[in-house]
Amino acid sequence: EIVMTQSPATLSVSPGERATVSCRATQNIDDNLAWYQHKPGQAPRLLVYGASTRATGIPARFSGRGSGTEFTLTIISLQSGDYAVYYCLQYYTWPRTFGGGTKLDI
Amino acid sequence: QVQLVESGGGVVQPGGSLRVSCAASGFTFTNFGLHWVRQAPGKGPNWVAFVQHDGSNSRYADSVKGRFTISRDNSRNTLYLQMNRLRPEDTAKYFCAKDRSMMGNLYHIDVWGKGTTVTVSS
Repeated sequence: EIVMTQSPATLSVSPGERATVSCRATQNIDDNLAWYQHKPGQAPRLLVYGASTRATGIPARFSGRGSGTEFTLTIISLQSGDYAVYYCLQYYTWPRTFGGGTKLDI
Repeated sequence: QVQLVESGGGVVQPGGSLRVSCAASGFTFTNFGLHWVRQAPGKGPNWVAFVQHDGSNSRYADSVKGRFTISRDNSRNTLYLQMNRLRPEDTAKYFCAKDRSMMGNLYHIDVWGKGTTVTVSS
């Protein structure tokens, strides 16, 4: 199975600054990667799919890049509501596999 | 709006069985494949199973194959996960998730529920 390695595990960033989360796949997945935001007690929310396409309603502060095996999610001008855990998901093949998550805190 | 609401979680002894359900609304249920994803405390999510739009084909993670069965009732807009021979390592929050497509190939999950907690312990 494809292993998704996410880094860092924890990222401390001040409001108004930029955060970058990385996800690496153990084999090529083209652009079949999605990013999700998850807050405690809530349903995870789709942010980006196709590695770089923002989901409906997601602000332009969120951007995804990458293809093949290396991917990044960048959030600029961090706001209080952005502090959450972020996960990547590869959907290139079965089984679907997730990154271990990045906790973004202040 | 699209909504997925899981239910049926609880505490069960090792070796026991449990069925969790997911009630869907806000979209044409028969047009989309559905997943179960679980997350153990302090861990990242793990994909468990997928069923395509008409229920005729399904896929499983190796860790649950032969013990879990995913199914759907398209007349009730409900997804199920029957879990048998449960183990302590199955303890997790179980999320229902909607695929962007009917068949699941090369499409992402676009909507999740809030999850239901399953604890396997004696």
